[in-house]
Amino acid sequence: SQQGEEDPQALSIQEGENATMNCSYKTSINNLQWYRQNSGRGLVHLILIRSNEREKHSGRLRVTLDTSKKSSSLLITASRAADTASYFCATLGGAGGTSYGKLTFGQGTILTVHP
Amino acid sequence: GAGVSQTPSNKVTEKGKYVELRCDPISGHTALYWYRQSLGQGPEFLIYFQGTGAADDSGLPNDRFFAVRPEGSVSTLKIQRTERGDSAVYLCASSSGTSGRRDTQYFGPGTRLTVL
Repeated sequence: SQQGEEDPQALSIQEGENATMNCSYKTSINNLQWYRQNSGRGLVHLILIRSNEREKHSGRLRVTLDTSKKSSSLLITASRAADTASYFCATLGGAGGTSYGKLTFGQGTILTVHP
Repeated sequence: GAGVSQTPSNKVTEKGKYVELRCDPISGHTALYWYRQSLGQGPEFLIYFQGTGAADDSGLPNDRFFAVRPEGSVSTLKIQRTERGDSAVYLCASSSGTSGRRDTQYFGPGTRLTVL
């Protein structure tokens, strides 16, 4: 089963609105990352937040992490039609885990931004 | 510089055939990863190389799947006796390896495998 679970599965908004996607996970993590994917092909790394961080910003992106609730959110502000894509959270396991280098992905949120 | 490249971009084969998928990582990256993504799902980890050796192959689904990285650069994922359930997009990623497993992974465009 997937470590990360994104919510919602699909999100449809108008250009200029904010988009919020949530991710929950089950086990301890070293870091949590968000990726974007267009047309089911290559993944583009957006932002990484470490387990000892609570919030991080990059341009129009804001990521929060709550390790007590094992959840993260990705906020895209002032969305554009070009933001239309699938967004995935991925976790890197915590210390002592056997999953040394692997990312565990959620099922993703499909974001559609209408012009 | 050039990103991760994968060849072929699409591969159609028949059930029972053997296929090889190639990944060229970013130059100088010591870590290389293979993932598999089925339609409507997130990528699932297959195998991770650090240099020439497989550091973690726990994601390979069965012994029909094998991957090599003989010179610590290009990697080949090999699938024997393909089954229709192997149809998916196979993604390769690489990372610099300088911060160990915490490095950002950069993904290639993937190979879409279709088994008829």
